[in-house]
Amino acid sequence: DVKVTQSSRYLVKRTGEKVFLECVQDMDHENMFWYRQDPGLGLRLIYFSYDVKMKEKGDIPEGYSVSREKKERFSLILESASTNQTSMYLCASSFWGSNQPQHFGDGTRLSIL
Amino acid sequence: QQQVKQSPQSLIVQKGGISIINCAYENTAFDYFPWYQQFPGKGPALLIAIRPDVSEKKEGRFTISFNKSAKQFSLHIMDSQPGDSATYFCAATRDKLDAGGTSYGKLTFGQGTILTVHP
Repeated sequence: DVKVTQSSRYLVKRTGEKVFLECVQDMDHENMFWYRQDPGLGLRLIYFSYDVKMKEKGDIPEGYSVSREKKERFSLILESASTNQTSMYLCASSFWGSNQPQHFGDGTRLSIL
Repeated sequence: QQQVKQSPQSLIVQKGGISIINCAYENTAFDYFPWYQQFPGKGPALLIAIRPDVSEKKEGRFTISFNKSAKQFSLHIMDSQPGDSATYFCAATRDKLDAGGTSYGKLTFGQGTILTVHP
């Protein structure tokens, strides 16, 4: 069974801190994605990666960066956290191709104080 | 042009009733339309998907209806059960980009519908 594991379920940080969210998948998927989920806005893509060391901006990349040094691991970095980045963050992975299902982790609820 | 608009935002249905969630898209290049189901505390999971070459796809109690000319698609849940209570997201993607590259399966999601099925 596919497993996408996000390192923390809940995280509280302060404004201005550098925040790291980690995601690991165990299915040898090429693609990995980071979304944020906000009520009424659905899931919005922040960044995605289709190969090791490759990354592409999604719809809302401002204030975020990513790192993919190994195929199974995809990190989301908030360079200087701000209160408007308080949200639920979801990581997903999939095989290459548009009709491949994305498999999601259970999310990290991040609060920036 | 990349938007997918989903309605209603919330839906309450009695057990045994039919739940209907609607989505509309603008980009005619979209060629794959999945629905994801999310239970509280969990990540979304693929429920059912359709390509625009068919007008309907059924899997058990779940049916997608697709209207290509209207650029609309909908999810119908027949005989709704309390266990169907969840948030549902429609999504859309395109396989190929105009330049011949791939979209890598990037999904554009709707805003989500919170479905509550009363016993």
